[in-house]
Amino acid sequence: GQSLEQPSEVTAVEGAIVQINCTYQTSGFYGLSWYQQHDGGAPTFLSYNALDGLEETGRFSSFLSRSDSYGYLLLQELQMKDSASYFCAVRGGFQKLVFGTGTRLLVSP
Amino acid sequence: GAVVSQHPSRVICKSGTSVKIECRSLDFQATTMFWYRQFPKQSLMLMATSNEGSKATYEQGVEKDKFLINHASLTLSTLTVTSAHPEDSSFYICSANSHRDSNNEQFFGPGTRLTVL
Repeated sequence: GQSLEQPSEVTAVEGAIVQINCTYQTSGFYGLSWYQQHDGGAPTFLSYNALDGLEETGRFSSFLSRSDSYGYLLLQELQMKDSASYFCAVRGGFQKLVFGTGTRLLVSP
Repeated sequence: GAVVSQHPSRVICKSGTSVKIECRSLDFQATTMFWYRQFPKQSLMLMATSNEGSKATYEQGVEKDKFLINHASLTLSTLTVTSAHPEDSSFYICSANSHRDSNNEQFFGPGTRLTVL
C-alpha cells in the first residue's frame, strides 16, 4: 500500500523555526510536494522536490532524500498567519497526488 | 498561478437527492482534473481522475455509480453525488494541472462543503 506519515501537530512561537517531517512508502515516485491549508480553505502549493537536496523559497524550504524515503518542510521566522495544516504529497504516475496525514501547526505569540 | 473555481461553495441537501458540483479551470485548459474528498481534520483522499473526452478513473473503494464524473470540455469537470446520504457530507475539492507551471503543480479549487440532512 501507500502511506505518508507526518506528525499530527506541532506548536511553536512567533519568530521561531519549525521542521515538519514526512516519511513515505509509495509505489511510483516522481517527487514530493508540500501544501498549506487553512481551515475551510483550499490547499495551496508551497514547494516541490524532484531530486535530493534542499529547495528554498523565501521563508520556506523543503528537503528530500529519496534513498531514505524522507522529506521535510522547514518554516523560518514563523508568523501567526502560518498557523495552518501542512501536507506532504507524493507525485506518482498519471500526475496523481497521494497526500500525507497532515500536520497542524499552531503558532503562538 | 493558474486559477481553478468551484461551484457551489456550500450546499445543503436532503437525503436521497443528487447534487452536482462544478470545477472550472479559468485561465488554462485542463485535460485532466482530480476530485478529492476531505473529512474534518483528515487528509485529502483522491476519489477519481477526470479525463476530458473519456471515462473517469476511480480510486479503489470509490463507487463510480454514486459519484458520477463528466469532463465535457477542457475547462469543466462536474461531480454528481447521486442519492446522497449523511455519510456523504464532506468537503469536496477539485484540482487541475497547469502545464504552464514549471513545476507542473496541481492547482486546487476553493472546495465545496456538502451537508446532507
